[in-house]
Amino acid sequence: QKEVEQNSGPLSVPEGAIASLNCTYSDRGSQSFFWYRQYSGKSPELIMSIYSNGDKEDGRFTAQLNKASQYVSLLIRDSQPSDSATYLCAAFPFTSNTGKLIFGQGTTLQVKP
Amino acid sequence: DGGITQSPKYLFRKEGQNVTLSCEQNLNHDAMYWYRQDPGQGLRLIYYSQIVNDFQKGDIAEGYSVSREKKESFPLTVTSAQKNPTAFYLCASSWGGNQPQHFGDGTRLSIL
Repeated sequence: QKEVEQNSGPLSVPEGAIASLNCTYSDRGSQSFFWYRQYSGKSPELIMSIYSNGDKEDGRFTAQLNKASQYVSLLIRDSQPSDSATYLCAAFPFTSNTGKLIFGQGTTLQVKP
Repeated sequence: DGGITQSPKYLFRKEGQNVTLSCEQNLNHDAMYWYRQDPGQGLRLIYYSQIVNDFQKGDIAEGYSVSREKKESFPLTVTSAQKNPTAFYLCASSWGGNQPQHFGDGTRLSIL
């Protein structure tokens, strides 16, 4: 079973701090990775995609991928209370030709004013 | 606006009744997916379809059925065989391959 693991949290950070969300995956051949944000009672929203090793920045968000360590992270700079949500990590296993994403269980982030 | 439309937003099912959840997309995506999410839980894949007139079972297909007669539509029927249907149902679509999935706003299904 291909797995994506996340710490369920909650991760609590003060407003203005950097929030660091982490994700590990079991399929070494996975090629594509995504971070989704899900507010309570709402559907997931894609916030970052990353396909190659290194960092990818988009505004206050930075996704980091380390394929050797099978590790993906999401950094949120200058965290705001509006960032409080559950963050889902997802990966495409190497063997998947079905478009089936493997989702982690999500990490709940709380940003305290 | 391009997007994925799910309807209804809330749905109530009586004992022994089949209900159908609608999912329509105008993104011209090839692949469509149905997920179930229980409170405090992750996403579980029910069914998915990569092309019209073809679909595959996901991890929890029992008690559900789908059809894919048109590219833009992928309705999900929750049958009376699904004994615990109360959940948040999410439809998603993508270009397929290793492209990301985009979600509709979801349908909340409850038992009357």
